[in-house]
Amino acid sequence: DVKVTQSSRYLVKRTGEKVFLECVQDMDHENMFWYRQDPGLGLRLIYFSYDVKMKEKGDIPEGYSVSREKKERFSLILESASTNQTSMYLCASSLRLGQGDLSYEQYFGPGTRLTVT
Amino acid sequence: AQSVTQLGSHVSVSEGALVLLRCNYSSSVPPYLFWYVQYPNQGLQLLLKYTTGATLVKGINGFEAEFKKSETSFHLTKPSAHMSDAAEYFCAVSYPPSGGSYIPTFGRGTSLIVHP
Repeated sequence: DVKVTQSSRYLVKRTGEKVFLECVQDMDHENMFWYRQDPGLGLRLIYFSYDVKMKEKGDIPEGYSVSREKKERFSLILESASTNQTSMYLCASSLRLGQGDLSYEQYFGPGTRLTVT
Repeated sequence: AQSVTQLGSHVSVSEGALVLLRCNYSSSVPPYLFWYVQYPNQGLQLLLKYTTGATLVKGINGFEAEFKKSETSFHLTKPSAHMSDAAEYFCAVSYPPSGGSYIPTFGRGTSLIVHP
């Protein structure tokens, strides 16, 4: 079974703090993703990475950065947390393209509910 | 750009009743379509998918969905709802490499409420 773990289930931070959200997958997937989930808005892609040290902006990258130094680990960084970044953050992984249908299936972690006060 | 619309942010059914969750997509090329389920306090997990071949696809927990190209729809159904089906359901669309972005675009989600 693919397992995607996230470092914290719940996190409370103060405005202006630098926040790190960690994600680790154990299935040797090339692709990793960070989403933000808000009620009524569904999942919105923040960043994704298709290889170590490679990253691409998603739909809402402003205020976020990412780091992928190892294949299994993908970190989301909030440089200076703000109250409008209070949300559920979901990490996902998938195989690289070229693996047929399996490349399109995403595996999600349990999420980190971040509150910024 | 690819997009997906889920009609109804909340759907309420009685236990044992038919479940119907609606999903429509916009596309100029044949899409790949997915339904994911999110149980309370958990991440999303894949319910079923359509890529090519048979348009009626079956998934886990008795769910199925039918790809209807003429209606640009991929509605999710289950003949008889169970209390354990209460969850958030997300429809997603992506494309094969020749047709567009392979990264899925998710709908806004539909919360399924099951009454005893």
